Amino acid sequence: GDSVTQMEGPVTLSEEAFLTINCTYTATGYPSLFWYVQYPGEGLQLLLKATKADDKGSNKGFEATYRKETTSFHLEKGSVQVSDSAVYFCALSRSNTGKLIFGQGTTLQVKP
Amino acid sequence: ETGVTQSPTHLIKTRGQQVTLRCSSQSGHNTVSWYQQALGQGPQFIFQYYREEENGRGNFPPRFSGLQFPNYSSELNVNALELDDSALYLCASSPSDSSYNEQFFGPGTRLTVL
Repeated sequence: GDSVTQMEGPVTLSEEAFLTINCTYTATGYPSLFWYVQYPGEGLQLLLKATKADDKGSNKGFEATYRKETTSFHLEKGSVQVSDSAVYFCALSRSNTGKLIFGQGTTLQVKP
Repeated sequence: ETGVTQSPTHLIKTRGQQVTLRCSSQSGHNTVSWYQQALGQGPQFIFQYYREEENGRGNFPPRFSGLQFPNYSSELNVNALELDDSALYLCASSPSDSSYNEQFFGPGTRLTVL
């Protein structure tokens, strides 16, 4: 069945460091891919998305490119801030189903 | 525009009891999905409702049931609570014209089963 695998955390970075969180997926066809972020004590917020191969999603300095050949959707940011500290979830969905399938989440801690 | 809201925020129940969680969709959204998020894990899909009908279900037993009302608000009911049902329950709504299943999440209800 469909699945999403993320790199294990926590990821600890200093402010202004470069961020990469790896995400790979297993799915038939062409799923849509998402990154969600969860701040402490809150629900999930959509960070960015891509709906077809080679699409690049971007928002708030974060980027991810839909790579069909490597079944990946890695999240990157050039310069992280303390306020980026949160849990990041990679997810996929297919348009003919109602569900999002999530990875296990990666905790990011950014230190001043 | 009001986002997705959920009630209550926190809930404590004992094993064997029944619980009802509530969700109000974002304005203009007619699809509601429910997810269970255990501590330290990603959310797991429970089921989805579209125009008051169940429209997909995850790997959860029948004691997890739901409803969607004409105003597109929704309830999640769990009977015969077990300790492993302790989790954050998330509701998400989708706009009627979404072609790529973008979902907007509420803050969640934290259920503790003792």
